[in-house]
Amino acid sequence: QVQLVQSGAEVKKTGASVKVSCKASGYKFTSYGISWVRQAPGQGLEWMGWISAHNSNTNYAQKFQGRVLMTTDTSTSTAYMEMRSLRFDDTAVYYCARTDVALGMYTISPKWFDPWGQGTLVTVSS
Amino acid sequence: EIVMTQSPATLSVSPGERATLSCRASQSVSNNLAWYQQKPGQAPRLLISGASTRATGIPARFSGSGSGTEFTLTISSLQSEDFAVYYCQQYNDWPPLTFGGGTKVEIK
Repeated sequence: QVQLVQSGAEVKKTGASVKVSCKASGYKFTSYGISWVRQAPGQGLEWMGWISAHNSNTNYAQKFQGRVLMTTDTSTSTAYMEMRSLRFDDTAVYYCARTDVALGMYTISPKWFDPWGQGTLVTVSS
Repeated sequence: EIVMTQSPATLSVSPGERATLSCRASQSVSNNLAWYQQKPGQAPRLLISGASTRATGIPARFSGSGSGTEFTLTISSLQSEDFAVYYCQQYNDWPPLTFGGGTKVEIK
């Protein structure tokens, strides 16, 4: 079955970096993208960005531009999300999600998310 | 950025009753809208894509409708396992992809 398995919980100091992994199985990795969505405690869902596993093109929400890096390793069907300069308000559960794509003449666009990884809690403390 | 607004924030419904959840977009998203269900401590699960197409394995009591700026998720007869938070998400215009703030469906 299609499955995304994320790495375990992390505790980081403010100013540090974190790298979360997301290993995919059960489908052709390069036919989809991977989005990263975070959820602060008791809050809603926030899209951070996505990466096309086909061509490694990335798009980030403006809020995270310059602070987040999304990559993939197609040899292991694994996606990574690295965030630097962590702040207290980055404390959240970080989800990866397989992202369906729309193929345009020159572009690949993300659509919906299915399935999601189990989530990785990142706690930022002093 | 397209802002998605869900209403109500909380919906109190008795088991077996019908639940109607709304999602409004700040500008047209055509039918490029998805719905998700999230239970406490779990990841979200896709229910509906393309505004009205149920995802694999989703029971027929879940239905989606609407286009443009107004969308509805209807749960025809609430089961105990349906009490959860529901989110809509647009994928018509990006970046960013955007979610609504969620509707919590609770037991009345």
